[in-house]
Amino acid sequence: QLQLQESGPGLVKPSETLSLTCTVSGGSISSSSYYWGWIRQPPGKGLEWIGSIYYSGSTYYNPSLKSRVTISVDTSKNQFSLKLSSVTAADTAVYYCARLGLLRHAFDIWGQGTMVTVSS
Amino acid sequence: QSVLTQPPSASGTPGQRVTISCSGSSSNIGSNTVNWYQQLPGTAPKLLIYSNNQRPSGVPDRFSGSKSGTSASLAISGLQSEDEADYYCAAWDDSLNGSWVFGGGTKLTVL
Repeated sequence: QLQLQESGPGLVKPSETLSLTCTVSGGSISSSSYYWGWIRQPPGKGLEWIGSIYYSGSTYYNPSLKSRVTISVDTSKNQFSLKLSSVTAADTAVYYCARLGLLRHAFDIWGQGTMVTVSS
Repeated sequence: QSVLTQPPSASGTPGQRVTISCSGSSSNIGSNTVNWYQQLPGTAPKLLIYSNNQRPSGVPDRFSGSKSGTSASLAISGLQSEDEADYYCAAWDDSLNGSWVFGGGTKLTVL
């Protein structure tokens, strides 16, 4: 079955850029039925949507993060990636990648998440 | 401060029925469908309810969702100990060029 796996550094210095990759296995990222997204969860807090991307490269972002976020897709590797610039301690969180079903209009499959700490 | 408002906690005893509310506005719940996610301790969220009241395959029919106006509810009947988790509502918000918004989460305790 379809699985998503996040990867990337667990520690990022303040003011630097956080970079994560989500690898999709068991299915194609190029399906016309899905978008792909990033959601984060600060320790002990709730969920926050970061942004989503279609296999064609079409993106939409959370307005509150838009100036710092770039999401890209590599269909040849079945991966999509997140870059968040100028990070601060407030960006410390578990970052999840997830599949967004266009029919269900819901994030229906999630990765296990990866903890990213922003600290010098 | 979350765009969608949920009670921070809820509780019930085994076998009971509990409900969790989610309050929004005309730009989110009022004009779009609501999804619910269950997050067991230390794990990723799992889709529980989509399109207000639809269950993905594998989700027990003890879980049900409803929506009225700018509010939604998740009901869990025949409460079991394994239902102890955090529950989040979510919806698309049409304001500010669009954005997915979540509730702050409700921690359900099975007494």
